[in-house]
Amino acid sequence: EVQLVESGGGLVKPGGSLRLSCAASGFTFSSYSMNWVRQAPGKGLEWVSSISSSSSYIYYADSVKGRFTISRDNAKNSLYLQMNSLRAEDTAVYYCARLPNHTPVYYMDVWGKGTTVTVSS
Amino acid sequence: EIVLTQSPATLSLSPGERATLSCRASQSVSSYLAWYQQKPGQAPRLLIYDASNRATGIPARFSGSGSGTDFTLTISSLEPEDFAVYYCQQRSNWRGSFGQGTKLEIK
Repeated sequence: EVQLVESGGGLVKPGGSLRLSCAASGFTFSSYSMNWVRQAPGKGLEWVSSISSSSSYIYYADSVKGRFTISRDNAKNSLYLQMNSLRAEDTAVYYCARLPNHTPVYYMDVWGKGTTVTVSS
Repeated sequence: EIVLTQSPATLSLSPGERATLSCRASQSVSSYLAWYQQKPGQAPRLLIYDASNRATGIPARFSGSGSGTDFTLTISSLEPEDFAVYYCQQRSNWRGSFGQGTKLEIK
């Protein structure tokens, strides 16, 4: 079964850091680009960051650029999001999602259940 | 930056009725538009990609159409499980932005 499982969320103070992980199974992780997408409470979906299969291409939303770092370890079938200098507005459910091998790359066909990040003093 | 505007914000219909949801892009996205369904407490689920292609396992009552700037998601006959929030998403150099969503609620 194709599956993505996020972990690492929690409560953190403003200015703090958190590292999210996403464990992939049931497919050849190293062949797929991946996304992080977030959803603030009661709000819509917001794309956060993308990484290509070999980490050659990395992109960030302006709202997180310079604070968040996406990475992956294909040997461990894992995706990561290092979040620094966290702000209240980063409070959200964070989803990892797979980008299928399609040209152009944009839609996401497999999603994890999400992990909740709360930034509050 | 391409902005997606979905309408209506809320759509109230009864099971068995036909639902028509709209997504308009501020500039052409060709046919590179996807639709997702999200139920409370769940992750989004891909329904449609490239404007009109149903994703694996999606029932035939879901269909997508459009190109350029105007797109439509149609649910031909609503089932109880279809009441949810629907998002469109466009391709923009990997920075795939989303519309604000349409909530489909039971009338």
